[in-house]
Amino acid sequence: QKEVEQNSGPLSVPEGAIASLNCTYSDRGSQSFFWYRQYSGKSPELIMFIYSNGDKEDGRFTAQLNKASQYVSLLIRDSQPSDSATYLCAVNALTGGGNKLTFGTGTQLKVEL
Amino acid sequence: NAGVMQNPRHLVRRRGQEARLRCSPMKGHSHVYWYRQLPEEGLKFMVYLQKENIIDESGMPKERFSAEFPKEGPSILRIQQVVRGDSAAYFCASSLGTKNQPQHFGDGTRLSIL
Repeated sequence: QKEVEQNSGPLSVPEGAIASLNCTYSDRGSQSFFWYRQYSGKSPELIMFIYSNGDKEDGRFTAQLNKASQYVSLLIRDSQPSDSATYLCAVNALTGGGNKLTFGTGTQLKVEL
Repeated sequence: NAGVMQNPRHLVRRRGQEARLRCSPMKGHSHVYWYRQLPEEGLKFMVYLQKENIIDESGMPKERFSAEFPKEGPSILRIQQVVRGDSAAYFCASSLGTKNQPQHFGDGTRLSIL
C-alpha cells in the first residue's frame, strides 16, 4: 500500500465548475497535510495546508480533512484554465521531527473551455 | 527575491563526474530539505538539514550522495561519480523549522547525465 495515494487522472472539468481532488494516506499518526500545485516543468507551489479535521477555505480553494477516514481533499471552485496542472498531496511524517513530507504521485487536472 | 534560490537551474554532467547543487533557503528559514523527482514519478524525500546538522537522511542513497548545510553559505547536495539514473529534477525546500510548518520550494535543478 502506498503511503499517500492519489488518482493520477486526468480529471477534466469544464471552466467554472468545481474540481474535487482526493487523497488518502496510510500513517494514522500524520499531523499536517499540504496541497501543492505543479505546472509541467516547474516547481511545486504551496496552495493550502490543513492540520485539523474539517474544512479550511482560502479564496477559491477549500481543503477538507477527515483523520478518522485518513482522507484529505481539495476543492477548487470556479475552475479556470489556469488551474490546469498537477496537484500534489503531501503528508508529514513523524520521523525527523515531523518535517519530512511524503508526496502522492499527483492528480492531473484539466480545465476545459 | 526572498524565495528559495537554487542554482544552477540546469546542469549537464558526463557519467563519472561530480554534480554539486546549491540551495539558499528563504530569508528567515533555517531548515532545508532536498527532494528528487524522477521523470513521471512523484517527489521523494532525500534529506533534511539544519545549520551544520543533518537531521534526517533516510531518503539518501547509501553511496555517492552527500549533503551539507554549513554555518555560512548555501546548502549543497553533492553527487559523486554520477550515473544515467541520477538524471532528475532536484528540488530544495525550506521552512521556519517548527514542526508542521509548510515547506516552500525552489525552482529546482534539472540534472542531465550524458
